[in-house]
Amino acid sequence: AQSVTQLDSHVSVSEGTPVLLRCNYSSSYSPSLFWYVQHPNKGLQLLLKYTSAATLVKGINGFEAEFKKSETSFHLTKPSAHMSDAAEYFCVVKGGLGNNDMRFGAGTRLTVKP
Amino acid sequence: GAGVSQSPRYKVAKRGQDVALRCDPISGHVSLFWYQQALGQGPEFLTYFQNEAQLDKSGLPSDRFFAERPEGSVSTLKIQRTQQEDSAVYLCASSLVGEGGETQYFGPGTRLLVL
Repeated sequence: AQSVTQLDSHVSVSEGTPVLLRCNYSSSYSPSLFWYVQHPNKGLQLLLKYTSAATLVKGINGFEAEFKKSETSFHLTKPSAHMSDAAEYFCVVKGGLGNNDMRFGAGTRLTVKP
Repeated sequence: GAGVSQSPRYKVAKRGQDVALRCDPISGHVSLFWYQQALGQGPEFLTYFQNEAQLDKSGLPSDRFFAERPEGSVSTLKIQRTQQEDSAVYLCASSLVGEGGETQYFGPGTRLLVL
């Protein structure tokens, strides 16, 4: 079984400052990990994913995440927040080959102040 | 190219009514998934199809929920005798095969409100 915990339900940053959204996972398998973003009234959009290749994963819009097995973490970062980054972010874990069960975290709402 | 589409985008139903939610996956995608997203929560898995075969329905909350994909393309999620607790956004996703770390592409969702 696998699960994710998003450690913050709400993060607020000022425009131009760094963003850190925290995610810890639990998995019995070598997991695949994803970050999705959900803007209001829009579908979920994939930001990035880790699938056992490089541990530092770069995604769209300047986001990146680092897979740390020893800490069972997959935190999402961005050096400089933009107003358009305000949205809901979901960390997702998926089990090994043949396992199609995607488990979503509860989400982190990112607010960006001008 | 066209992404995953869902219809209707919004549905209001009276308690006890039956509803049908449609999902058009990306053309050529073998795998199709349904999720339920309650207000303020992350999506929760409902069911999974590979072509027309429903391989996993472990997430369906009750026997009032039924999903089908008869020709391996369009899928319909049906909820019979709707209850207020069924109010949620229903998300559909598709992927090329569905294995490993493959990306799932999500539709915009159908927001269901049961009064």
